Amino acid sequence: EAGVAQSPRYKIIEKRQSVAFWCNPISGHATLYWYQQILGQGPKLLIQFQNNGVVDDSQLPKDRFSAERLKGVDSTLKIQPAKLEDSAVYLCASDPTGNTGELFFGEGSRLTVL
Amino acid sequence: GQNIDQPTEMTATEGAIVQINCTYQTSGFNGLFWYQQHAGEAPTFLSYNVLDGLEEKGRFSSFLSRSKGYSYLLLKELQMKDSASYLCAVRYNTNAGKSTFGDGTTLTVKP
Repeated sequence: EAGVAQSPRYKIIEKRQSVAFWCNPISGHATLYWYQQILGQGPKLLIQFQNNGVVDDSQLPKDRFSAERLKGVDSTLKIQPAKLEDSAVYLCASDPTGNTGELFFGEGSRLTVL
Repeated sequence: GQNIDQPTEMTATEGAIVQINCTYQTSGFNGLFWYQQHAGEAPTFLSYNVLDGLEEKGRFSSFLSRSKGYSYLLLKELQMKDSASYLCAVRYNTNAGKSTFGDGTTLTVKP
């Protein structure tokens, strides 16, 4: 079974530029999450999708971050404009139903903002 | 808030046993997870506890005391490859099934 795929693995941009990350969850997994993991910290939830609908985006800085999951499969997370403090690993995770709690993570996209 | 506390760093010797503790706020508790994360890699699921007691899975065991808001991950017969960050994550009823993560414990296994 293929795992959660993410791209790009690494991205370096200057502040005020924009960036987009892509995630393809495990086939059949209804729930998709985007987490932000700053170095030395645990993952912090940004947004949760159930199929193609947003369940929780309360922690998403909506002035600069946006995410979508068209057709309930792939998802993209965009940051525009980026700030220095956005430097982090952006982890995508999925689980079959959203109730099991066991998350399957992708390898993450490491963003460096200069 | 839903503070989840773990030690930042631990060091142990190959072949030894190490216990990594996690404390959390008990209100609304609905399950606790442990994940392992090697440097530069994705977190991977290790264990799940929702009832009090010990869950054993090979060299790894996880314990939960709901009344005390306390869990530990026990790693036996440590191997060099066990050097990683161990993340404690708690699911709360109030959080619609989502897990809140601690900041992780970085374990270094030395020869």
